[in-house]
Amino acid sequence: KQEVTQIPAALSVPEGENLVLNCSFTDSAIYNLQWFRQDPGKGLTSLLLIQSSQREQTSGRLNASLDKSSGRSTLYIAASQPGDSATYLCAVKAGTALIFGKGTTLSVSS
Amino acid sequence: EAQVTQNPRYLITVTGKKLTVTCSQNMNHEYMSWYRQDPGLGLRQIYYSMNVEVTDKGDVPEGYKVSRKEKRNFPLILESPSPNQTSLYFCASSDRVNYGYTFGSGTRLTVV
Repeated sequence: KQEVTQIPAALSVPEGENLVLNCSFTDSAIYNLQWFRQDPGKGLTSLLLIQSSQREQTSGRLNASLDKSSGRSTLYIAASQPGDSATYLCAVKAGTALIFGKGTTLSVSS
Repeated sequence: EAQVTQNPRYLITVTGKKLTVTCSQNMNHEYMSWYRQDPGLGLRQIYYSMNVEVTDKGDVPEGYKVSRKEKRNFPLILESPSPNQTSLYFCASSDRVNYGYTFGSGTRLTVV
């Protein structure tokens, strides 16, 4: 059964720091991997989608990589800002479901 | 604007009183799903639909029903809600099996 793990569970950094969030999955048979942002009590905003045949995707200060063979993805956030404070969720599309990790809660202090 | 719309956003109800949470998407997507989010358990799939009249169970379907009579709508029905169904519910849609998902804003349900 596919399992998705995100490390660390929580992260606090000062403004301006570059940071990396990690996601690992147990079964490499995936269609794609999607990174989401969730603000407290709110919905999920899609940040980046990486197809299984791709190695990385970039959007602004965000860069996501995918190594399907090793079951790993990273989300790199450059020059972090207080507005980046949120929970970041990684999800793999396997079969008919999105399988989610439990998220990394990021706090960026000014 | 392309979006998934859920209603209501907040709902407090009593045990056993049937309720429906509506979900509608305006992107002509084939795939639609319902998820629930609980502290410590994360997001789990309740039901999904691959097209009109095609639905199937996800990981936690007990106590829920769905229907897909039209492509744009995918309501979630709780015939007899219980307190353990208190949760944050999300509807999501996708165009193809390998496309990304778009999520609704969520419905916070409390069953007392």
